[in-house]
Amino acid sequence: GQSLEQPSEVTAVEGAIVQINCTYQTSGFYGLSWYQQHDGGAPTFLSYNALDGLEETGRFSSFLSRSDSYGYLLLQELQMKDSASYFCAVRGGFKTIFGAGTRLFVKA
Amino acid sequence: DARVTQTPRHKVTEMGQEVTMRCQPILGHNTVFWYRQTMMQGLELLAYFRNRAPLDDSGMPKDRFSAEMPDATLATLKIQPSEPRDSAVYFCASGLARIGELFFGEGSRLTVL
Repeated sequence: GQSLEQPSEVTAVEGAIVQINCTYQTSGFYGLSWYQQHDGGAPTFLSYNALDGLEETGRFSSFLSRSDSYGYLLLQELQMKDSASYFCAVRGGFKTIFGAGTRLFVKA
Repeated sequence: DARVTQTPRHKVTEMGQEVTMRCQPILGHNTVFWYRQTMMQGLELLAYFRNRAPLDDSGMPKDRFSAEMPDATLATLKIQPSEPRDSAVYFCASGLARIGELFFGEGSRLTVL
């Protein structure tokens, strides 16, 4: 089967850096994705890692270590609008399974 | 501006009634997913299709849920009969089979009384 673990909540201060970790178990791993979801909204895609290493997109970066079945999302220069839920998702074959989500609270 | 369209956005119904949710995936996308989101369960995969063929619906309660894709522009999720525990937000998402990004619709918020 497939399973993912990520922290349920993270709190950080505006302007700071925060890292959200994700560990996964799956067969037939293709890649790890990250999604952002604001309250009442739909998940929106942030990044996708198929290979080991760091992918950077503006203030957000995502890292993957396939040998460790581990990845993280790094958010820099935190803004109040970054307060949301963040989901890691593992793609195995054609199926994409989501973790339970990490609620990020950004304080002024 | 390509997007996934879901209807209805909100649905309130009584226990025992049939509910049908519809999804129009982005044109050209060949994978379609149905997810259910509750506070307790996060995003739970119910079913997914590739090139309109159902690949896995093991996440669905088979006795009451069914998912179909009658053509490339329409995916449906039906609940019959509905129960209060089915109250949730149901998301449809589409994508390309070899690309990691999924595009989500705005969701259908279902309340079963």
